[in-house]
Order: sequence, then C-alpha cells, then structure tokens
Amino acid sequence: KNQVEQSPQSLIILEGKNCTLQCNYTVSPFSNLRWYKQDTGRGPVSLTIMTFSENTKSNGRYTATLDADTKQSSLHITASQLSDSASYICVVSRPGFQKLVFGTGTRLLVSP
Amino acid sequence: DAGVIQSPRHEVTEMGQEVTLRCKPISGHNSLFWYRQTMMRGLELLIYFNNNVPIDDSGMPEDRFSAKMPNASFSTLKIQPSEPRDSAVYFCASSSGGDWSSGNTIYFGEGSWLTVV
Repeated sequence: KNQVEQSPQSLIILEGKNCTLQCNYTVSPFSNLRWYKQDTGRGPVSLTIMTFSENTKSNGRYTATLDADTKQSSLHITASQLSDSASYICVVSRPGFQKLVFGTGTRLLVSP
Repeated sequence: DAGVIQSPRHEVTEMGQEVTLRCKPISGHNSLFWYRQTMMRGLELLIYFNNNVPIDDSGMPEDRFSAKMPNASFSTLKIQPSEPRDSAVYFCASSSGGDWSSGNTIYFGEGSWLTVV
C-alpha cells in the first residue's frame, strides 16, 4: 500500500535551535518527494521538490535530504525562528497522472 | 502574481443546503486540483483537472459532490445536499504541466473553511 509516514507528530523546540523532521514512504514507483509548510489557517506552501537523483536540496534555512534506497527523507531546520511554527507535510508522487500521497504532517512549535 | 484565489473563505451552512466553492487558478496553469483537509485524514485529493478535463475524480466522496471547470480560469466544487461530516477545509491548487514526474510546483489557495451544522 502506498503510504507516507511522518515523525514526530508534533515537536516543540526553543527559538534558535535546530530540528529534523522525518518522512518514510512506501510509494512505488517513485517520481519525486515534496515538503510543504502550512501555517495555521493558510494553504500549504512548497519548500522543496526532490527527484530520484537528488539527495539534498536547500531552501534558505530548510534542507531536505532523500535516500531513495531506504525510502526516507528528512527536513532539517537550522536556527529556528518563531515563524517556523507550522505543520510540515511530506508528499510523494508516482510517475504520470497519479495521485500524490500525503503524509499527515508534523506540527512544529518554536517557543521563545 | 495573485496566486490561487478561492471563495468564500468561510462558510457556515445548514445540513441539506447546497454549497458552492469557487476557485480561480494561477493564470497559465493547466492543472487544477481540489483537496479536502481534516484533522483526522489530512489532505485528500478530491478531483484533478488537466486542460479543463477531469482526469481523476476517484477521490470524490459520493454523488453529493460534483466539480466543474468550464474554462481555464474558473472551477467550482459543489456539495448538494451538505452534511455535517462535510465540514472541512477545501483547498484548490494549480500547477503548470500535468505529469507529476515533472516535479512542477503545486500552488495552493488559502482554502474555504466549511462548517455544516
């Protein structure tokens, strides 16, 4: 069954600290993996998209990694800010006109 | 760039009433998606249009739900009759291209928050 599992479900960190969010998937065949940030009451916003051949991609203080062999991805946030408080959603797609498979997200709270 | 525009942002309606949600995709995008988000199930794809044609509607819960895309700049999602279990946030999103493997970014609107009482 095509699934995307994220951990932890929720996380609280102090402002300025780093954190890493995990995403494991069983989607096959694999096309690409996306990380989205969703602020409370807003729509998801794309952070990164990685294809099979990419194992690291950065977007400012956000760095995503992908291990296609173990079907794992992580999102590392460096020097967290209060504005990083949000849900982070991992999404995996298969080739062609197929559905994206969404994880249920990790809720991050950055505390002052 | 105005982004994906959805209306209404919030809607409270009584059970049994018809609800129509509207979406204007980003100009030039040829793929449009309707998603539903709940705490229990997260984001679920309801229907996907490519070049105004419905490609995948297997996520539409039942016959009470219908979606149309009469032209490249407008889509509607209709629920008739509405039920309390339809309460959720409904997102419209758009993208250029149609093949997921292209890795094109999908842009989401701000959502329509529906409450059916």
